[in-house]
Amino acid sequence: NAGVMQNPRHLVRRRGQEARLRCSPMKGHSHVYWYRQLPEEGLKFMVYLQKENIIDESGMPKERFSAEFPKEGPSILRIQQVVRGDSAAYFCASSPDRDDYEQYFGPGTRLTVT
Amino acid sequence: QQPVQSPQAVILREGEDAVINCSSSKALYSVHWYRQKHGEAPVFLMILLKGGEQKGHEKISASFNEKKQQSSLYLTASQLSYSGTYFCGTEHLRGGSSNTGKLIFGQGTTLQVKP
Repeated sequence: NAGVMQNPRHLVRRRGQEARLRCSPMKGHSHVYWYRQLPEEGLKFMVYLQKENIIDESGMPKERFSAEFPKEGPSILRIQQVVRGDSAAYFCASSPDRDDYEQYFGPGTRLTVT
Repeated sequence: QQPVQSPQAVILREGEDAVINCSSSKALYSVHWYRQKHGEAPVFLMILLKGGEQKGHEKISASFNEKKQQSSLYLTASQLSYSGTYFCGTEHLRGGSSNTGKLIFGQGTTLQVKP
């Protein structure tokens, strides 16, 4: 049973470009969460999605960041016009249909903005 | 809103025990414990739901005191492989008794086990 998959694992973007991060949840999981981790810091919640719905986006910056989890395909975290401060590891986690289950993390995408 | 973990760092010899604490100022629905090694993804250890339960998993166990809004992770007879940063993730109650789904993580406790 494949775990949570994220790609790319490493992404380098120049300031002003767009970054697209993908997350495929574990089989049977319909809840997806995105977290950001700055170097030497803890994990910060960004957004919680179920299929075709954003449940909680209270951790998302108001501008340049968006997320979706379509009916078919992976969840996408999109960062427009990236700045140096966006450099971080972005982790996605998934959990099964019921919401009192553990969240399993993917390997992360390490974004570097030059 | 972020839970507070203590201590910030621990250095142990193999075979010694450690306790990591996690305290929240808000009512908790559940507490999740993870271990993360440098450059890797967090690995799930265990989840404790409200109700004051205690769980065990080989030599790693945890307790959850709902009234005090605290959880503790117990590492006994530590092994070299236990080294890493331990995070507690807290899930809070929304209005009424429903949970929010999202995890708010503590700042982490770095554990180093030496031979």
